[in-house]
Amino acid sequence: QKEVEQNSGPLSVPEGAIASLNCTYSDRVSQSFFWYRQYSGKSPELIMSIYSNGDKEDGRFTAQLNKASQYVSLLIRDSQPSDSATYLCAAFDNTDKLIFGTGTRLQVFP
Amino acid sequence: GAGVSQSPRYKVAKRGQDVALRCDPISGHVSLFWYQQALGQGPEFLTYFQNEAQLDKSGLPSDRFFAERPEGSVSTLKIQRTQQEDSAVYLCASSLTGDSEAFFGQGTRLTVV
Repeated sequence: QKEVEQNSGPLSVPEGAIASLNCTYSDRVSQSFFWYRQYSGKSPELIMSIYSNGDKEDGRFTAQLNKASQYVSLLIRDSQPSDSATYLCAAFDNTDKLIFGTGTRLQVFP
Repeated sequence: GAGVSQSPRYKVAKRGQDVALRCDPISGHVSLFWYQQALGQGPEFLTYFQNEAQLDKSGLPSDRFFAERPEGSVSTLKIQRTQQEDSAVYLCASSLTGDSEAFFGQGTRLTVV
């Protein structure tokens, strides 16, 4: 198993819906998790970090961490076409290397 | 500086040429990471530093790739005798400590012709 795994998508949701992006991780990662958004041709932009079990909300974004099941998710409420991008899940491994998943492409259609 | 700065933004190199990519991290950030990103893929880890120490270089694809951060601030990724398969976007990120939030520069798009 890779340290951080994501479904490549694309995930298509209508405008106004909730987009749910998921990421699973292995035992080789530590407990710091991050979600980045990457628009085509741009570099990754940090949108959420989560360090403890449970939910963390920031505006329309909610990150959820479930350590028992080894997954972390990102919910985007009231999705907008401007949210269309690739979302990257990342975590530090046990040697402090920041490892990324392959990313999930999200398409929000009007 | 206010953010991570990379230069050049674009580089076209002839096959066999040596290139040097520069990363200027956020001031005071201890950790610095280099990634290679191919189209449609996530960033692939190349190497990282804590201050001037290169703690992991396991992701460097070959001995043609070399990175340094001699004074614990600016870092340079050097690629010798470039090959077409080296064409990619090279991303640099820095973080305040070993496991804190990391921020990316704009990247350098390298095209080897």
